[in-house]
Amino acid sequence: EIVMTQSPATLSVSPGERATLSCRASQSVSSNLAWYQQKPGQAPRLLIYGASTRATGIPARFSGSGSGTEFTLTISSLQSEDFAVYYCQQYNNWPTFGQGTKVEIK
Amino acid sequence: EVQLVESGGGLVQPGRSLRLSCAASGFTFDDYAMHWVRQAPGKGLEWVSGISWNSGSIGYADSVKGRFTISRDNAKNSLYLQMNSLRAEDTALYYCAKAQDSSSWYLFDYWGQGTLVTVSS
Repeated sequence: EIVMTQSPATLSVSPGERATLSCRASQSVSSNLAWYQQKPGQAPRLLIYGASTRATGIPARFSGSGSGTEFTLTISSLQSEDFAVYYCQQYNNWPTFGQGTKVEIK
Repeated sequence: EVQLVESGGGLVQPGRSLRLSCAASGFTFDDYAMHWVRQAPGKGLEWVSGISWNSGSIGYADSVKGRFTISRDNAKNSLYLQMNSLRAEDTALYYCAKAQDSSSWYLFDYWGQGTLVTVSS
């Protein structure tokens, strides 16, 4: 099983600031990495796939990078609706998720 | 608009069974693999099971293998999860999720709102 590790567990950011979230895989997943956003009481929403491709309707302030074992999700200027939990997921093999990063208002 | 609506959750005693359903609409159901993903209260996401468009390929997480059975009825645009020998650790919100395409079997582009399964005596 490929273990996905996200850091930090919680990120406190002021609106308008940049947020950088990290995700590490225990072995290479190539570019088969996705990011999801989950708000309280809602289902996860696909943000990024292929490590860097935005899903349909996702604003340009969300960007992804990385390959192999190290990945980053960047939110360039946080809006109020971006405060949520973010999960990375590898789909190179049997899918596994990171434990999540909570982005909270500073 | 893609819609996935889960049903069938509830409170069940350990060792008993439950069958979840997911009704799909807004896309050509039999073109896509489908999956179940669960989330224990206050916890992260765990893939449970997936099934290819024609039911020819099926996979399970080790945690449910031998106890859960996934199936689909393309004529009814429906996905199912038969859960037997339920344990307390199966307590979770169960999501139905659609695979993005045939080349990314485990990439989930749409999710339902989930159905809650609580296993307790």
